[in-house]
Amino acid sequence: RKEVEQDPGPFNVPEGATVAFNCTYSNSASQSFFWYRQDCRKEPKLLMSVYSSGNEDGRFTAQLNRASQYISLLIRDSKLSDSATYLCVVPPGDTGRRALTFGSGTRLQVQP
Amino acid sequence: GAVVSQHPSRVICKSGTSVKIECRSLDFQATTMFWYRQFPKQSLMLMATSNEGSKATYEQGVEKDKFLINHASLTLSTLTVTSAHPEDSSFYICSARDLRGAGREQYFGPGTRLTVT
Repeated sequence: RKEVEQDPGPFNVPEGATVAFNCTYSNSASQSFFWYRQDCRKEPKLLMSVYSSGNEDGRFTAQLNRASQYISLLIRDSKLSDSATYLCVVPPGDTGRRALTFGSGTRLQVQP
Repeated sequence: GAVVSQHPSRVICKSGTSVKIECRSLDFQATTMFWYRQFPKQSLMLMATSNEGSKATYEQGVEKDKFLINHASLTLSTLTVTSAHPEDSSFYICSARDLRGAGREQYFGPGTRLTVT
């Protein structure tokens, strides 16, 4: 099983829609997780951190299900500017000296 | 969030030449930095972990003699692509983990787009 798995998409949704992505991880000892956003030809940028059961920031909600070992990202009221690739990230256990493991990303295309 | 800069942002070079890319952490010290490569429509692939004051750790399949890494200070790591070939054309991104935060998030430089002709 891969360390991090994501549905590559693309998810094509109309403006205003609610869309959710899931990401599964294999390391049951992982304590914190991140969602990054990557625009085409740009570097990844941190979107949200998830440390406990979940986190909400405006239209974005991240939830963690430890029993099933997945995290989800919910985007409400999608905007055109939300179109990007969303990367699920699981830190290694954790001295800070090891790189994060990235999922392959889920591509979202919000259409007018 | 923490700031990581990268220079140059874009470089075009001829086959056989060497290219140096700099990665700096601007507002925090980074004893460890990471170098990634990303080909079009593919995932970020970790190339190596750069450790200040010691040798870099390379991922399997990455030639250490071709991709020279120097981490001479707590805020600067450099990646030199030696004898570049067209297949080395890619988006190179550095990052560093900011250990001051609880989650130890990883912040990325803006990337360097290398084109080898």
